[in-house]
Amino acid sequence: ETGVTQTPRHLVMGMTNKKSLKCEQHLGHNAMYWYKQSAKKPLELMFVYSLEERVENNSVPSRFSPECPNSSHLFLHLHTLQPEDSALYLCASSQQASGPHNEQFFGPGTRLTVL
Amino acid sequence: AQSVAQPEDQVNVAEGNPLTVKCTYSVSGNPYLFWYVQYPNRGLQFLLKYITGDNLVKGSYGFEAEFNKSQTSFHLKKPSALVSDSALYFCAVREGSGGSYIPTFGRGTSLIVHP
Repeated sequence: ETGVTQTPRHLVMGMTNKKSLKCEQHLGHNAMYWYKQSAKKPLELMFVYSLEERVENNSVPSRFSPECPNSSHLFLHLHTLQPEDSALYLCASSQQASGPHNEQFFGPGTRLTVL
Repeated sequence: AQSVAQPEDQVNVAEGNPLTVKCTYSVSGNPYLFWYVQYPNRGLQFLLKYITGDNLVKGSYGFEAEFNKSQTSFHLKKPSALVSDSALYFCAVREGSGGSYIPTFGRGTSLIVHP
């Protein structure tokens, strides 16, 4: 679809579980992002990485923990989530974090349901 | 601070008719403006962007957008709508050089094209 892949596509977990979301981009981009998309709400930026360094953290609860081991991979580690965390989690990448060429390319998302 | 507004939750248009999806923005300096489309169960796809230059920007799938500085608008247009254009459309804005490099997304407008 876009050169950004996400796994798994669907995830159901209990509040005491620990799981991880994976994102991989094949576009040679330097910036990667995690977004949360909930019904009837604007897209919420969670984390931004530029050249594997976290450059933005939008007051996200500590039960969400990102990891960027290299410029092609991004993880979101989840633990002790709440039912209100159920949403579509989107990963995106862009050529650069700043400058005019930071249009984002999104993965298909992981549909997360917390029971 | 930057913000973007999409005043219509839903736009309905008949196939073959022209379509417009509205977007207005607010930034301190010069804006970088983006349009994205999201089909069901998919991530967002980049359609087009305005950085500088011609006010009329052409993008993917026959879409175009017109930057109007005086009205702080960046409306998305297409001369002849297709049923397959039915999707959720997002406008995004960020400040140009010197400003925040993180885009702000609108709430989205659902476009429904009737056969």
